[in-house]
Amino acid sequence: AQSVTQPDIHITVSEGASLELRCNYSYGATPYLFWYVQSPGQGLQLLLKYFSGDTLVQGIKGFEAEFKRSQSSFNLRKPSVHWSDAAEYFCAVRGSTLGRLYFGRGTQLTVWP
Amino acid sequence: DGGITQSPKYLFRKEGQNVTLSCEQNLNHDAMYWYRQDPGQGLRLIYYSQIVNDFQKGDIAEGYSVSREKKESFPLTVTSAQKNPTAFYLCASAPLTNTEAFFGQGTRLTVV
Repeated sequence: AQSVTQPDIHITVSEGASLELRCNYSYGATPYLFWYVQSPGQGLQLLLKYFSGDTLVQGIKGFEAEFKRSQSSFNLRKPSVHWSDAAEYFCAVRGSTLGRLYFGRGTQLTVWP
Repeated sequence: DGGITQSPKYLFRKEGQNVTLSCEQNLNHDAMYWYRQDPGQGLRLIYYSQIVNDFQKGDIAEGYSVSREKKESFPLTVTSAQKNPTAFYLCASAPLTNTEAFFGQGTRLTVV
C-alpha cells in the first residue's frame, strides 16, 4: 500500500534562513509526487510536482524538491525563507488506484522575523 | 474563472441532524474527492468518484454518503451516524490522467 511520511510535525526557522522539509514515501513503482501548501482555513495550493525526468523540480514561490529513488524521498527546499512562507506543508503521492492521492500528516512551518 | 467551489464556508448543525456540503467544479475533471482534515492528522479520504454515477469509499467513509449525478457536482452528506463530524472538509478534483488534484477552499463544519 502507498503511504507518505513527514517526520517533522513542526519546524521553526528564522526569516532568511534555508529550509528543508522531509518527505518519505512507500510505493512499488515510480511515483507521482506532489508538495502542497495550506494557509489557515484555506484549501491546498500546489507548490510543485514530480512525474518523471529531471529529479530536481522547481515550483512556485522559490521552492524546489529533489526526488531520490534510492532513499524514497522527495524533500522540499527553499534557500531563503520569507515570513509569508509560514503555513502547513503536505507531501502527497499518487497511488496505484488511478486518481487517488495519499497525503502525509503535514509539517507546520513557523517563521521568526 | 475555472475552479472548485465549496459552500458554505462555515456550517453549524445540531447533533443528530444530517447536513450536506456542496462541491462544484467547472474544470471538466472526471475525478472528484472528499477529504476530512483534523489537526495533526493530515488529510483523510472519505469518498472519491472517477465517473458519473459511480463512487468508492475511502479510508473513513462510515457516517458519510455521496452522490455523483453530474460531472460537475459531488455533494457530501454527513449523517447522524458520524460520531465526530466537527472538522474541516476539503473537496478536490483531478483529470483521470496522473496529474495533480485541485482543491476547493473548504467547509468548516461544527456540530453542537
